[in-house]
Formats: sequence, C-alpha cells, structure tokens
Amino acid sequence: SQQGEEDPQALSIQEGENATMNCSYKTSINNLQWYRQNSGRGLVHLILIRSNEREKHSGRLRVTLDTSKKSSSLLITASRAADTASYFCATDLNQGGKLIFGQGTELSVKP
Amino acid sequence: DGGITQSPKYLFRKEGQNVTLSCEQNLNHDAMYWYRQDPGQGLRLIYYSQIVNDFQKGDIAEGYSVSREKKESFPLTVTSAQKNPTAFYLCASNPDGRDRETQYFGPGTRLLVL
Repeated sequence: SQQGEEDPQALSIQEGENATMNCSYKTSINNLQWYRQNSGRGLVHLILIRSNEREKHSGRLRVTLDTSKKSSSLLITASRAADTASYFCATDLNQGGKLIFGQGTELSVKP
Repeated sequence: DGGITQSPKYLFRKEGQNVTLSCEQNLNHDAMYWYRQDPGQGLRLIYYSQIVNDFQKGDIAEGYSVSREKKESFPLTVTSAQKNPTAFYLCASNPDGRDRETQYFGPGTRLLVL
C-alpha cells in the first residue's frame, strides 16, 4: 500500500498566488522529502525535513511536518508560471536510503 | 560535468524481447536505484544497490533484472516476463555522508512496446 498520499491530485492557480500541497503517510519516518518533476523529466530534490523538525524554509518554499498527524505540507509562495510541474513527497523509513514516493500533485500556474 | 545519465531516451520493445536500460553516474555515489513511473502515478522501486556486486529487490522486481559490476553503472534489463513494461524508468543515486538521504535522478528512459 502507498506510504505517502498527496492531495490535491491537481491544482490550478494564477501567477502570484500561493500553492499548498499536502502529504499524509502511515508509518514512522526518519525524514520526509519533497521533489519536483517537470513533464517528461527526472525528479529534482527541493527540501528535506527531519522527523524532529516542524518547519523548514528554502527560498519561496515552506515545509511543515506534523508527526502526530503523520502529515506534511509544501507551500510555494508567490507562484510563477515556471513552478508548473508535479510535486512529490517521499518518506525515508531509515531502511538504507530507500524512499517511498506519493502519487504527486500536478501544479499548473497560469500567467 | 557531473551527473546521472540514462540512455536511450526512448526505447521500443518487441514482444518477447529483453531490453536493457543504461544508467551511469560520475558522482562517486555508492547507492543506486531504479524506479518505474506510470502515467499520473508516483515512483515505484524496482531494484536498488548500496554497493558494487550487491543489489536488492524493491517492491516490483518481477520481470526485471539488474547488475552492479562497477560503481558508476547500474543497468536494468526488462525481460520478456514483464508483461506490461510500458512506463517511464528513472534511475537515481545517493551520495555518502550527510546528504545520503537525498536522491539525485537521471533524465529517464521511456519504454514503449511495439
């Protein structure tokens, strides 16, 4: 069964608006990561948050982690058309580097 | 120019044919991974290797095989036993040390069945 589940599956917003994506998981984690994938390309690592952290920032990205609810959210502020991509959460269960990926949120930012 | 390369970009397989997807990295990473991605889906782990001459099955290893004879290379063979091979295949690797949790991905190979 899928460890990470994301919602919404698709999100369409206007440039300048904020985008929020959510990820829920089922078992205890070592860390949770967010990746971005442009259409037909490989994934690019965005940010990692450890199980003992609650919030982390990187540029226009803000990630939160609530281990009691087994959930995380990714906020992209002041979105740009170039942010259009699929975003995946991935959980690290401390099993030798293996990650379990969610099904992703497809973000479309309209200019 | 460091990174992970995958070839070919597109690959066509005939019925009953084995095909091999290439993954090479010059990042000196120890661990390498193969994932399968179906349309609109997340990534599923096929095989992974944490060291040369050793590899483990992932969640969907049936119909696939791998080898890890060199640190830089982790080829994936899609055998004729894989009845639904059409998908996007992604290779990734991990560095050692502090950043070992982060995975670095290649550009992918799209496999299509004729």
